[in-house]
Amino acid sequence: SQKIEQNSEALNIQEGKTATLTCNYTNYSPAYLQWYRQDPGRGPVFLLLIRENEKEKRKERLKVTFDTTLKQSLFHITASQPADSATYLCALGNNDMRFGAGTRLTVKP
Amino acid sequence: EAGVAQSPRYKIIEKRQSVAFWCNPISGHATLYWYQQILGQGPKLLIQFQNNGVVDDSQLPKDRFSAERLKGVDSTLKIQPAKLEDSAVYLCASSFSGRGGDEQFFGPGTRLTVL
Repeated sequence: SQKIEQNSEALNIQEGKTATLTCNYTNYSPAYLQWYRQDPGRGPVFLLLIRENEKEKRKERLKVTFDTTLKQSLFHITASQPADSATYLCALGNNDMRFGAGTRLTVKP
Repeated sequence: EAGVAQSPRYKIIEKRQSVAFWCNPISGHATLYWYQQILGQGPKLLIQFQNNGVVDDSQLPKDRFSAERLKGVDSTLKIQPAKLEDSAVYLCASSFSGRGGDEQFFGPGTRLTVL
């Protein structure tokens, strides 16, 4: 069956460092992958989209890679700030979209 | 631009009771989604509408859940009768076209507690 795994439930890093979050999947060939941010008590907010024929996308301090051979996406936040603390969700899609369970990132000052 | 509106924000009911949630998507968005998010998990798609037609309801427990989107605008999701395992946040989202990769805009969700 299709499986989407995001590395560790929680990730703690120091302000200014780069946070790297991982999204692995099995038994699935998504046409695209999205990353969302979710704060407590709120709905997810779209951050980035990367398609299967793209290797890397950047947006300000965010970078996402998509390796269809490894079946993995990496999401990087450079120069992290306490305001980046949130849960980050990856979502894979073809005709439908399926979400991972998320990784809770805490950036400490 | 107004975001996706949902009501109520919180609901507490006893098992076997009925409950309904309402969603008003962003104006002009053709596609509307209902997701269930259980604590500690990612959102799970329950149903997807394109205008007022159903595109995907494969994960909707149809014996107890129903949804409609009359006139292709706002939507209601109903649970009848509710079970303890239905306790979750119910998220509504909309997107402009529903094409693959389209950004989805989420509402704040309705937190349902079934006692």
